[in-house]
Amino acid sequence: KQEVTQIPAALSVPEGENLVLNCSFTDSAIYNLQWFRQDPGKGLTSLLLIQSSQREQTSGRLNASLDKSSGRSTLYIAASQPGDSATYLCALPDSSYKLIFGSGTRLLVRP
Amino acid sequence: NAGVTQTPKFQVLKTGQSMTLQCAQDMNHEYMSWYRQDPGMGLRLIHYSVGAGITDQGEVPNGYNVSRSTTEDFPLRLLSAAPSQTSVYFCASSGRNYGYTFGSGTRLTVV
Repeated sequence: KQEVTQIPAALSVPEGENLVLNCSFTDSAIYNLQWFRQDPGKGLTSLLLIQSSQREQTSGRLNASLDKSSGRSTLYIAASQPGDSATYLCALPDSSYKLIFGSGTRLLVRP
Repeated sequence: NAGVTQTPKFQVLKTGQSMTLQCAQDMNHEYMSWYRQDPGMGLRLIHYSVGAGITDQGEVPNGYNVSRSTTEDFPLRLLSAAPSQTSVYFCASSGRNYGYTFGSGTRLTVV
């Protein structure tokens, strides 16, 4: 059974810092991996999707990497801004294509 | 391209009432899911579907029914609302090798 873990659970950084959020998974036979952000009281916004055959994806200041052999993905946020404050979720579909979520990293970027 | 549309956005029910939360997607996705998110908690899977006519239970299915008569629609029925079903409900869809897209949610209060 696929299990997804995210570290750290919470992170507080000053504006401008580069930061890394970590996601680990137990079963390396994955279809893809997706990073979402959720603002308080809002829905989930997809940030990046990495296919199983890919090593990384980039969108603006965000870069996500995937290492299937070690069961890890990282989300790198460059030059963080207060608007980046949100909960970041890592998720992978299981063999039935149901999405399995990590518990999330709550990020606060201080002005 | 509307993506995933959920209606209504807000609903207040009295205990014992029934209602249907609507979810529609226009991306021809075969996979659709319903989640609930309680305050300060992660998403929990209620029911999911891998295609028209095929549904299965998630981790918290009690008190809810679903059907999938078309590819586009995946309604969630609350049979007899209880205060414990007060939550935010999210619908999501995906195609194989595509990422999941989430609706904006339905905020349900049962009094």
